[in-house]
Amino acid sequence: EVELLESGGGLVQPGGSLRLSCAASGFIFSKYAMNWVRQAPGKGLEWVSITTYYGDHYADSVKGRFTVSRDDSKSTLYLYMNSLRVDDTAVYYCAKGLGQPEVWGQGTTVTVSS
Amino acid sequence: AIQMTQSPSSLSVSVGDTVTITCRAGQDIGNDLGWYQQKPGRAPKLLIFDTFSLLSGVPSRFSGSGSGTHFTLTISSLQPEDLATYYCLQSYNYPRTFGQGTKVEV
Repeated sequence: EVELLESGGGLVQPGGSLRLSCAASGFIFSKYAMNWVRQAPGKGLEWVSITTYYGDHYADSVKGRFTVSRDDSKSTLYLYMNSLRVDDTAVYYCAKGLGQPEVWGQGTTVTVSS
Repeated sequence: AIQMTQSPSSLSVSVGDTVTITCRAGQDIGNDLGWYQQKPGRAPKLLIFDTFSLLSGVPSRFSGSGSGTHFTLTISSLQPEDLATYYCLQSYNYPRTFGQGTKVEV
């Protein structure tokens, strides 16, 4: 069974940093593009980033502050988040696939507050 | 970024109704559009990919249509378990963009 499990969320002060992880299982991780998508409390979905064979891409709202990476030997996706702002508060999901991602994790909550 | 304008933002329905949700893209995106269903506290679930294709296991009362800039999700004979928020997503280019969501409620 294909599964994605996010971790690493928590409470951080504005300006702080956090690393999210997404552990994948049930498929050949190295063969797939992987996404991060977030959802602020009570708001809609916002695409954050993707890592593909051809390169990485970011939403304008996180460009220069967030970095996506992956360790194919561990089947794990990461999101390094720096210079965090209050409006980065959200549930962060990882999702598998290049086009319209089919498999999503359950999400990890990031709260940016002083 | 391609703006995806989804309408309506909310919809009051009854069981058995036919529901239509629309997404308009700010530019031609071909057929690179998917539809997601999200229930409170849960991750989104892909229903339809590439405008028309129903994901395996998704009930046939869900259907998608459109191309270019105008896309539609139709739910025929709505069931109680279909009460949720629905989002469109364009995968034509980066950054990917979602519609604002449509909450389908009683």
